[in-house]
Amino acid sequence: DGGITQSPKYLFRKEGQNVTLSCEQNLNHDAMYWYRQDPGQGLRLIYYSQIVNDFQKGDIAEGYSVSREKKESFPLTVTSAQKNPTAFYLCASSIDGGGAYGSYNEQFFGPGTRLTVL
Amino acid sequence: AQTVTQSQPEMSVQEAETVTLSCTYDTSESNYYLFWYKQPPSRQMILVIRQEAYKQQNATENRFSVNFQKAAKSFSLKISDSQLGDTAMYFCAFMKKGGSEKLVFGKGTKLTVNP
Repeated sequence: DGGITQSPKYLFRKEGQNVTLSCEQNLNHDAMYWYRQDPGQGLRLIYYSQIVNDFQKGDIAEGYSVSREKKESFPLTVTSAQKNPTAFYLCASSIDGGGAYGSYNEQFFGPGTRLTVL
Repeated sequence: AQTVTQSQPEMSVQEAETVTLSCTYDTSESNYYLFWYKQPPSRQMILVIRQEAYKQQNATENRFSVNFQKAAKSFSLKISDSQLGDTAMYFCAFMKKGGSEKLVFGKGTKLTVNP
C-alpha cells in the first residue's frame, strides 16, 4: 500500500537532547513538508522540500533542522534550541511542490508523531 | 502574508441536522485555492473539499458543500445530514496558486455531532 509513515507514534525526550522524527513516503512524491500542531492552533509549516537535496524554511523553522538525501525520506531533527518542542508533528507530501501554473497537487498527510519533552 | 481565521472554536449539532462552519481569510493574491480538512480523534488529516478561487461555482462533495464569497473573502463549510463520524476538528486552509504549495491553516473548529 502506498502512503506516508511516521515513526514513532509517541516520542519522549529529555530537555536538552536532540531528537529526530522519521517521515517516509512510497508515493514517489517530489515534495515533502513538516508541520507542527499545538492545542488550539492550526498547523504551522516548519520546513519543506520540493526536490532531493534542497529544502526551505517555513514559518517556524527556528530550533529545527531537516535533510533530504533521498526522495522518499525527510527526517526532522528537533534540537535543544527549540524552546517549546512538545507538540504534535505532521509530515505531508505531494507529487511536486510547485506544479505548472494552473495545476494543483494535493498534500497527503502521515499519521503524526506526538513529541513530549520531560 | 496570508492569514486564515476561524471564529468558532467549538460547535455542536444533532445527528441528521445541518451545520455551517465559518472561515475568513486575508490575501492580496488573486489566484489561490481554499480547503477544508477534517482531523478526527485519530489525528489523521483528511481533505474534505477544495475550491479554486477563479471558479464561481461552489464546490460540493456529497454531504459537504462550501459557500465561497470571494469579494468578502469568506469560505464556509456546510455539512448536511450530520453523522456521528463527522465529529472532528475542521481546519480551513489557503494555498497560493503557483510556486511552492505551502498551506496556511486556520486554528480550527471542534465539531461534535450528538446522537
